[in-house]
Amino acid sequence: AQSVTQLDSHVSVSEGTPVLLRCNYSSSYSPSLFWYVQHPNKGLQLLLKYTSAATLVKGINGFEAEFKKSETSFHLTKPSAHMSDAAEYFCVVTTMDSSYKLIFGSGTRLLVRP
Amino acid sequence: SQTIHQWPATLVQPVGSPLSLECTVEGTSNPNLYWYRQAAGRGLQLLFYSVGIGQISSEVPQNLSASRPQDRQFILSSKKLLLSDSGFYLCAWSEGSLRNSPLHFGNGTRLTVT
Repeated sequence: AQSVTQLDSHVSVSEGTPVLLRCNYSSSYSPSLFWYVQHPNKGLQLLLKYTSAATLVKGINGFEAEFKKSETSFHLTKPSAHMSDAAEYFCVVTTMDSSYKLIFGSGTRLLVRP
Repeated sequence: SQTIHQWPATLVQPVGSPLSLECTVEGTSNPNLYWYRQAAGRGLQLLFYSVGIGQISSEVPQNLSASRPQDRQFILSSKKLLLSDSGFYLCAWSEGSLRNSPLHFGNGTRLTVT
């Protein structure tokens, strides 16, 4: 069975410092992985996706993630946080069971201090 | 470019009243369409998905139903709302299999059942 674990429910950083949001997955096949961001009362917006091409994936707004199969991780990073990055972030993995279902992590709320 | 519209943005309805939420996608043909619910403090729950007109797959037994009367229109309905139906409802679309195509979300409808 597939699963995804976001290791931190809340992360707080100062503006201008690096961001690290951690995600581990469990899968018996080679999944596709995604990071989404959700601002308050808005839908989820795709940040980046990994679909078995390059293991280092660059996304929008300066975010990137590295797929590490040996560690079953897909951590999201950004070199310098901006106030507008404050939001909830979801790590998402595809399932082997269906082409129409995803497994969502429980989310990490990123707080950015001025 | 493709866009997705969801309305209304907020809705307050009494228990036992009917519900109709509408979602339309522009700029693409034959999208896969999805309804998710995001309850407070909980993750995203897939409610329904559709791969074509009139084709609806239900993921969770409940008093909600979905219909797809046109290629790019997806409607979520209920005949009688329950308090537990409160939540944030998100419509989404994908070009094809979620293993290769990301989900694109609307801005959501905040439903409060009183």
